[in-house]
Amino acid sequence: DARVTQTPRHKVTEMGQEVTMRCQPILGHNTVFWYRQTMMQGLELLAYFRNRAPLDDSGMPKDRFSAEMPDATLATLKIQPSEPRDSAVYFCASGPLSSDGYTFGSGTRLTVV
Amino acid sequence: AQSVTQLGSHVSVSEGALVLLRCNYSSSVPPYLFWYVQYPNQGLQLLLKYTSAATLVKGINGFEAEFKKSETSFHLTKPSAHMSDAAEYFCALRASYGKLTFGQGTILTVHP
Repeated sequence: DARVTQTPRHKVTEMGQEVTMRCQPILGHNTVFWYRQTMMQGLELLAYFRNRAPLDDSGMPKDRFSAEMPDATLATLKIQPSEPRDSAVYFCASGPLSSDGYTFGSGTRLTVV
Repeated sequence: AQSVTQLGSHVSVSEGALVLLRCNYSSSVPPYLFWYVQYPNQGLQLLLKYTSAATLVKGINGFEAEFKKSETSFHLTKPSAHMSDAAEYFCALRASYGKLTFGQGTILTVHP
């Protein structure tokens, strides 16, 4: 089965450090999302790309977060500088433009100490 | 504006009992609706989807959901719960331009 690959699966970092999370969407999928999941807030949309162009990043703290798709096989989410409140599970999802739904990766569990 | 409301953050049932997880939506355009399941320490897995075809949708693991426009609902059901159904379930709405909006999730507990 085709799947969305996220790396790393786990990341522990110190406050103030840069964190980069990577996502390899399913080949041929032209829609990519980044979500953050916490106990308090649930699933929050951070960024949404279509054909590598950002369509919606209103959910992302602009001062420290950035999301890019340098090519169709890679999406990145960076946090600089990281803070303890950024501790969460970050999910990437991809899908076609049709109504088939989206496939989620297994997530990156980030802990900022 | 579009939104999804899941009624009940926790649902507990006995093994073999009916499972009913409630989802209501608000959308200014005909919605595409989805149910996802998340097992502990895993990503979200698509259970089923409604895309304006049949209003009763069957998914994996014996789950089904019925789209009711008049009630703006898309409740998830399973006739007989199994221990392996214990997980968190998310209802989601997709706008015509593709963005997904999720409900807050419902944790299903299944007792022996």
